[in-house]
Formats: sequence, structure tokens, C-alpha cells
Amino acid sequence: QQKVQQSPESLIVPEGAMTSLNCTFSDSASQYFAWYRQHSGKAPKALMSIFSNGEKEEGRFTIHLNKASLHFSLHIRDSQPSDSALYLCAVSDQGGRALIFGTGTTVSVSP
Amino acid sequence: GGIITQTPKFLIGQEGQKLTLKCQQNFNHDTMYWYRQDSGKGLRLIYYSITENDLQKGDLSEGYDASREKKSSFSLTVTSAQKNEMAVFLCASSINWGGAGEQYFGPGTRLTVL
Repeated sequence: QQKVQQSPESLIVPEGAMTSLNCTFSDSASQYFAWYRQHSGKAPKALMSIFSNGEKEEGRFTIHLNKASLHFSLHIRDSQPSDSALYLCAVSDQGGRALIFGTGTTVSVSP
Repeated sequence: GGIITQTPKFLIGQEGQKLTLKCQQNFNHDTMYWYRQDSGKGLRLIYYSITENDLQKGDLSEGYDASREKKSSFSLTVTSAQKNEMAVFLCASSINWGGAGEQYFGPGTRLTVL
């Protein structure tokens, strides 16, 4: 059964710095990997997703995926106070029928 | 664009009470999901449905029932509310079934059990 863990649980970064978030999963056969962001009191929204090993960049956001090491990450360049939120990674389950979400990382960007 | 509506926004119940949460989407999406979120933490899957009248259990299905009588609606029932239970229940939908597509979330129902 797919297990998804995130680290760190929370972090504080200064404005303009790089934010790096980690996600580990247990099933190397997983096909789909995504990051969601949830601002306080709001619904989660999809940020980025990736299917295959490697890197994908969209604006200030970059995802790295390494299936062999069961690890993927999200990096936010030039972090802004508006990036302060709960970040959730998600991995498709065995059989690819649903997404399993991680435990979440709370990011606070200090001006 | 579409929208997901969840009712009620806040739900207060008594221990042992049966409580029902409702979700409607106008995306015309096939798949709908119910998640539980405790204290701003990660999401745990309760039930999902890949089409009307279909129900699939997630890891957290014990203590819950679900119903998908129409493509656009998905309801969740807490069969016997537990005292001191407090969580946000999030409904989501996606265009296809399976974990390979973006999920769109509703604003949530916040449950408090007295």
C-alpha cells in the first residue's frame, strides 16, 4: 500500500530565498506525481505534476523526480510572502486509481 | 470553468449522531473524492467514485458511508460521530478516474462533534 511522507513538517524562509520541499513514496511503480498548495482556510490547488524521471520547471517552481530513490521534490525560487501555505505532495496509488497525499509541509516566507 | 460546492460549510453534531455532508460539481467530471484533513495536515482518502452508483473505499472508510446517485453529486455520511472529533472534509473531482489527473477541490465542511 502506497505510503507518502513529506519533510520537513514546517519551515520558515526569508523572502527571496529558495524553498525546498521533499516527498518520499513507497511504490516505485507509481506513474503520477503532483504538488498541491493550500493557503490557510482555502481549498488545495494543483501546482505542478510530473510523470517521468527528471526535472520540470514552470516559472519559479521546479519539480525533481527520482523513481529509483523513491523521492521527489519541489523547489521554489525567489520565495514570496504569498507562497506561505501548506504544500502537499501526491502520488498515484497501486493500480493508479487514486492519489495518495503526503502529510504536508507548512511554509512561512518572512518579509 | 467549474465549481465545487460543499454543504454545509460548518457542521456541529452530537456524539453518536449520523451526519451527512453533500458535494456538488458542475465540471461534468467522472470521478469524485472525499478526503478528511485534520488540523491543517495531509489529506486522507475516505471514499471515491469513478462514475455514478460506483463507490470505492479509501484507507479511512471505516465509520463512513458514501453515495453517488448522480454524476454531479457525491455525499458522505458519518455513521456515528465521535466526541471531540474535529476535521475538515474536502470533496474533489477529476476529469477521469485514476491518479493521473488534476483534482479540483471544494472549500470544505468543518465538522465539530460535541
